[in-house]
Amino acid sequence: SQKIEQNSEALNIQEGKTATLTCNYTNYSPAYLQWYRQDPGRGPVFLLLIRENEKEKRKERLKVTFDTTLKQSLFHITASQPADSATYLCALTISGGYNKLIFGAGTRLAVHP
Amino acid sequence: EAGVVQSPRYKIIEKKQPVAFWCNPISGHNTLYWYRQNLGQGPELLIRYENEEAVDDSQLPKDRFSAERLKGVDSTLKIQPAELGDSAVYLCASSTSGTNTGELFFGEGSRLTVL
Repeated sequence: SQKIEQNSEALNIQEGKTATLTCNYTNYSPAYLQWYRQDPGRGPVFLLLIRENEKEKRKERLKVTFDTTLKQSLFHITASQPADSATYLCALTISGGYNKLIFGAGTRLAVHP
Repeated sequence: EAGVVQSPRYKIIEKKQPVAFWCNPISGHNTLYWYRQNLGQGPELLIRYENEEAVDDSQLPKDRFSAERLKGVDSTLKIQPAELGDSAVYLCASSTSGTNTGELFFGEGSRLTVL
């Protein structure tokens, strides 16, 4: 069956360290992959999009990799800050007709001072 | 620029009652989405509109859910009658791209509790 897997357990890290979150998928061939941030009680906010022919994308302290062979995306936050604490969702664009955007369940990140 | 506006933010009803949610997308965004998000889960698409046309409603439980987007701007999502399992956050999103290849802009959501 098709599924997207993100770590269900919270990731706890120390301020200043690099946070790495994983998104694995099976039985999908996504053309695009997006990462969103969601704070409690708020809607998701777009962070980055990476295409299937791109290996890596950066934006300020954020870096996303996309390995279509491993069927995995890694999301890195360097020099993490307590304000980075949130849930991070990955989402795949599945080609076909109008396309579909499928979200993972998200991983909660807690950055401790 | 105003973001996606949803109302109400919170709604508590008893089962079998009707409920409606309203969404005003970002001006100029032709594509509008309704998602449902259960606790600890990612958003799941209910329906997507391109202007006034519902182009993907395959996940909408049509026996009790209905949606409309008159004039291709605001949208309303209705549940009648509500069931206990409908308790969730209902998110509206809009985008300029109808191909799901670009950024989605989400509203703050409407949290529904069915008692």
